[in-house]
Amino acid sequence: DAGITQSPRHKVTETGTPVTLRCHQTENHRYMYWYRQDPGHGLRLIHYSYGVKDTDKGEVSDGYSVSRSKTEDFLLTLESATSSQTSVYFCAISARLAGDSYNEQFFGPGTRLTVL
Amino acid sequence: DAKTTQPTSMDCAEGRAANLPCNHSTISGNEYVYWYRQIHSQGPQYIIHGLKNNETNEMASLIITEDRKSSTLILPHATLRDTAVYYCIVRVGYGGATNKLIFGTGTLLAVQP
Repeated sequence: DAGITQSPRHKVTETGTPVTLRCHQTENHRYMYWYRQDPGHGLRLIHYSYGVKDTDKGEVSDGYSVSRSKTEDFLLTLESATSSQTSVYFCAISARLAGDSYNEQFFGPGTRLTVL
Repeated sequence: DAKTTQPTSMDCAEGRAANLPCNHSTISGNEYVYWYRQIHSQGPQYIIHGLKNNETNEMASLIITEDRKSSTLILPHATLRDTAVYYCIVRVGYGGATNKLIFGTGTLLAVQP
């Protein structure tokens, strides 16, 4: 499972409240990603990080911010949650399989967020 | 949008081979084809990837056509635990740099007892 945990695993919140989701990894991987998954859309990339304090936007970054102050943690923040951000959020890391020349992505268990 | 086309769903009998097709007619010469799967309520799981040659690992085989415009993922002896959504993905960017993946809606494979 590449040592990835996400917290919380489930959260219900109200519109307009701030929400922070945490992704934690134990294997010192440089690259980390946040995706959201909604019915009919598959997984869509929100933000990613290529090192401490180095982040960039994905395809659906509006309404989200991220921070990475240390290698093991990648935080996703919804400054003011909206109902359209109700989704399942997956964190991923990029790691190289033994004998491979390219990195693969490994995913965490997901966080189910409901915004009422 | 994802640059791949997959059937929405497929059925397969337990113990038989499952062959999942994918079209990627606009693939570039340096882009790889990746397959992931997602079992209900879990995070996606890497299966296999390839560039132009056929590939095999302990989970599956990947057959890529000579023109690279399509590929087939083969699960040689499907079990009920292989029931999942299977995603065919053309890699965006080079490994090690951004490694971004663009997911489509995938194929729901239902393995029947």
